[in-house]
Parts: sequence; structure tokens; C-alpha cells
Amino acid sequence: DAGVIQSPRHEVTEMGQEVTLRCKPISGHNSLFWYRQTMMRGLELLIYFNNNVPIDDSGMPEDRFSAKMPNASFSTLKIQPSEPRDSAVYFCASSLRSRTDTQYFGPGTRLTVL
Amino acid sequence: TQLLEQSPQFLSIQEGENLTVYCNSSSVFSSLQWYRQEPGEGPVLLVTVVTGGEVKKLKRLTFQFGDARKDSSLHITAAQPGDTGLYLCAGAGNSGGSNYKLTFGKGTLLTVNP
Repeated sequence: DAGVIQSPRHEVTEMGQEVTLRCKPISGHNSLFWYRQTMMRGLELLIYFNNNVPIDDSGMPEDRFSAKMPNASFSTLKIQPSEPRDSAVYFCASSLRSRTDTQYFGPGTRLTVL
Repeated sequence: TQLLEQSPQFLSIQEGENLTVYCNSSSVFSSLQWYRQEPGEGPVLLVTVVTGGEVKKLKRLTFQFGDARKDSSLHITAAQPGDTGLYLCAGAGNSGGSNYKLTFGKGTLLTVNP
């Protein structure tokens, strides 16, 4: 079975540009999470969706970040405008039930903002 | 302030040696998870411990949850090069919070040399 799919795997962009990261969760999973991983701060939860509805976006850094989940099989994380401090690895994870703490992570998107 | 402190941050050992890594917090968690992350990949769940004092074994890996559910340890016996990776602990449901929200430590980067 396919795991969580993320695209692109690597993204290099210039400061000020818009960046869109994509995620396809595991089929049948109804919870989706976006995380950011950096050396300084480790792995941090950005936003959590349940049944396509954003439940907790308290980890979203600022208004430059937005996330959508238009259907059960697709989610996007957008950064506009991007800044060098946004450089990190962004992970998407999904889980089967809303209250479970078993999350399955995708391979991540490594974002570099020059 | 990091809720979960992992130690050591880096560990380099020879094949066949034993090792223990630690995950400590001042907060109580309803459960605690250990993940292993390889370069270019997302974290993969190894185990979940939910009961204070619980000990779980996974082949050469032994996981323990502290009696007060604030700390955990991972012991690896006779380490092999394939054990190399970043070991992350993550707590769920701290201070009565939601179980979906995982708080991650920064990890222990383990290198096992042949």
C-alpha cells in the first residue's frame, strides 16, 4: 500500500516567491498533519485537519502560511511570500482516527529559500 | 522552552556495543512514542508506551516509560550499523491536552560504526 505522498521532494526558491507544498494522505485516513523540522527547533506541528476541516492551526507561524484540504485525498501548504527563515523540511502525516496518536509520516519536502 | 529533552544529542559507537538514550520532561504525558528517522525520510513509529512503568521490547530495543509518565528511555543491545538514525521521542496529551498533538524532542543522532 502507498504511504503518505509528498511533492515536490526538494524545492529551491528565492525570497518573496510563493511556495506550494502538496500532500496525499494514506487512503482512508481522516486526520492530516503538517509539520516543520529544523535543526534549531526540531519537529513542530503546524496544523491539524480532521475530516478535511482545520482543527488546530496554532502552530502556523504567521499569516504568510496557509493550508487547505479541499478533499480527503489532498492537502496543500502555501507560503507567500517566502523568506529565508522558512527553509526547513516540511512533513505531512496522516492517521486513521481523529483521537489516535499513531501518525504515519511522508518523506518530506526540503525547502530552501535563498 | 523544549518540553521534551533528549540526551545525548549525538552518539557514535562501535557495532556490538550497548547504548541508552533518554527523553525527559517536567510534564506528564498520556502516552509517549519513539520514532526512528533515516536521512531523507520521515519519522517511522517504533513503539508507543502508555502506562507508567511500562517496558516494551522490540527485538534488541527496550523501551521504558517512567512511573510518573514524564520520562522514557530507549536501550539498544548489541547495536548494528542498521540502527543508525535519528531517534525521536514524542509525547501526547501533556497536561490533559489532546492526544493528537505530539510534542517532539530534538532527537538523538546515533551512528553505529562497523
